[in-house]
Amino acid sequence: AQTVTQSQPEMSVQEAETVTLSCTYDTSESDYYLFWYKQPPSRQMILVIRQEAYKQQNATENRFSVNFQKAAKSFSLKISDSQLGDAAMYFCAYRFSFYNQGGKLIFGQGTELSVKP
Amino acid sequence: GAVVSQHPSWVICKSGTSVKIECRSLDFQATTMFWYRQFPKQSLMLMATSNEGSKATYEQGVEKDKFLINHASLTLSTLTVTSAHPEDSSFYICSAIPLAGASYEQYFGPGTRLTVT
Repeated sequence: AQTVTQSQPEMSVQEAETVTLSCTYDTSESDYYLFWYKQPPSRQMILVIRQEAYKQQNATENRFSVNFQKAAKSFSLKISDSQLGDAAMYFCAYRFSFYNQGGKLIFGQGTELSVKP
Repeated sequence: GAVVSQHPSWVICKSGTSVKIECRSLDFQATTMFWYRQFPKQSLMLMATSNEGSKATYEQGVEKDKFLINHASLTLSTLTVTSAHPEDSSFYICSAIPLAGASYEQYFGPGTRLTVT
């Protein structure tokens, strides 16, 4: 069965510094998506970044980038130039292909990120 | 961007009563909607997959007779918690996959907080 593991319940970073959140997953599929979602205190899920498994190139979205290691089944998120607004719970998520399990998501346990001014 | 709404945002009900939560895709049609449950400081746990015009698919361990899901149209899915008990108090989140869109797209509602007294 597919699983997603985030081994860092809490992380802290100084404003303007860089922080990396870890995520590992297990799957037997070859075609899937991986995501990082941010959940602020409002609890609205916000998509941070996605990675298609077939793409070797790591995804980047402004200050957010990933290190996708498919063979190692690792998918870490790097936040550069951290801002106070980055403080939130971050979830790593694995998405099944639509034709297998209808595209449902399974989430890691989450990492609570705090940003110190 | 695509918007998913949930109603109500917060509901308090007495033990033994039923409560209905609506999930609507406001500006797109959704082939599939998902229902998640989230306890404080925990991850999102998938409860069920809802497809328009067909019976919902429940995850293992989720009582289908207690959590009734109806997906009557391409823009509306409802979750009814029947005979609610205090242990059903939680945050319920829905998400929707657009009928027309990129294969990775999935949009989340803002969530509904259920408190059972």
